[in-house]
Amino acid sequence: NAGVTQTPKFRILKIGQSMTLQCAQDMNHNYMYWYRQDPGMGLKLIYYSVGAGITDKGEVPNGYNVSRSTTEDFPLRLELAAPSQTSVYFCASSISGNTIYFGEGSWLTVV
Amino acid sequence: KQEVTQIPAALSVPEGENLVLNCSFTDSAIYNLQWFRQDPGKGLTSLLLIQSSQREQTSGRLNASLDKSSGRSTLYIAASQPGDSATYLCAVSGGSYIPTFGRGTSLIVHP
Repeated sequence: NAGVTQTPKFRILKIGQSMTLQCAQDMNHNYMYWYRQDPGMGLKLIYYSVGAGITDKGEVPNGYNVSRSTTEDFPLRLELAAPSQTSVYFCASSISGNTIYFGEGSWLTVV
Repeated sequence: KQEVTQIPAALSVPEGENLVLNCSFTDSAIYNLQWFRQDPGKGLTSLLLIQSSQREQTSGRLNASLDKSSGRSTLYIAASQPGDSATYLCAVSGGSYIPTFGRGTSLIVHP
């Protein structure tokens, strides 16, 4: 059972470039989340989804987009990368109100 | 807006000590509270989940309590070991099942 899988693990982007962080879960969870974690700042919610075809903004959605075409996949798109998007990104999933499972994280540097 | 605070931000103890990590939240209308462990360079791993109707949960040397009316939870670690060194985060979810995280307590247990 793979759980929550994120790719890539590390990425360096130039300012203005775009990329997609991939996230997949194999636990048939309805909820999926994207968080960013900056040093000493805890986790900030970017976007979340309560099921296929449904997404909603979190606390810090600007500069990001998501889609949820299947239960399993929840990619995060960064458009026109900026240095402020340098962070560690975590994808997570859960069944409503139950234990949350996290991926291993994606380290992104924008230069 | 729910706010979650964790005290202390950092803690260093000798091996064998019993210790308490604190988590407080501003809105007592919660659905559940979770404690997570995060090792350096890794994702978060769920340790304990307490539903709002429960007062405590135990797993091995870990015991988490919840006092919803006062907006507090504590994570008790018995007989600490160097392998317990990590960052511990608490997260509170309301009826929408979207967790809000504290900034974490960084724990070092030295031999």
